[in-house]
Amino acid sequence: QQQVKQSPQSLIVQKGGISIINCAYENTAFDYFPWYQQFPGKGPALLIAIRPDVSEKKEGRFTISFNKSAKQFSLHIMDSQPGDSATYFCAAEGRDGNKLVFGAGTILRVKS
Amino acid sequence: EPEVTQTPSHQVTQMGQEVILRCVPISNHLYFYWYRQILGQKVEFLVSFYNNEISEKSEIFDDQFSVERPDGSNFTLKIRSTKLEDSAMYFCASSVLGGLDIQYFGAGTRLSVL
Repeated sequence: QQQVKQSPQSLIVQKGGISIINCAYENTAFDYFPWYQQFPGKGPALLIAIRPDVSEKKEGRFTISFNKSAKQFSLHIMDSQPGDSATYFCAAEGRDGNKLVFGAGTILRVKS
Repeated sequence: EPEVTQTPSHQVTQMGQEVILRCVPISNHLYFYWYRQILGQKVEFLVSFYNNEISEKSEIFDDQFSVERPDGSNFTLKIRSTKLEDSAMYFCASSVLGGLDIQYFGAGTRLSVL
């Protein structure tokens, strides 16, 4: 019940296309859903995050869509660029705020 | 921009040896975390630490593991007797407030147990 399931494992998108990564969770106590971006040799860096009281959050080319009833959330990267090529992790955190539970990660490659 | 720094970047050790992984969290942060990522797998929570106490630990964080904030700037993870399966990337993270606040991650220490 503590798991966050992420798909796909890997994704290849043409430059300018839309990248979509999906996550699902079971634990209704999760109250915070961040997405992290990780480049090779670096630690995960927060990209964008959402709380369950909103259904969508947009920051530049990055949008999180959140479906509370389905317990699913997704990351959309519009106008994908080669510089977006990285591993993306969805995560969830409970109201006690003591730990992040990560998805398995998606390796995104944007072809120029 | 302030960042979490971890040393060393790569640690090689023999099975059964003790290792200490070091982290310097962002200076005004109060909550500290260790996570690990076995090659090809997801990032897993190990332990959270606040006010010189462990707030929460996972089942991975057994008696072989310990954490310490020995001074005002460092946060360490000790593995008492390393096993082959401890080989992983270990990430330190910190946040200002805890409780759903943003966690900032270091670049990690790659631990290789031979």
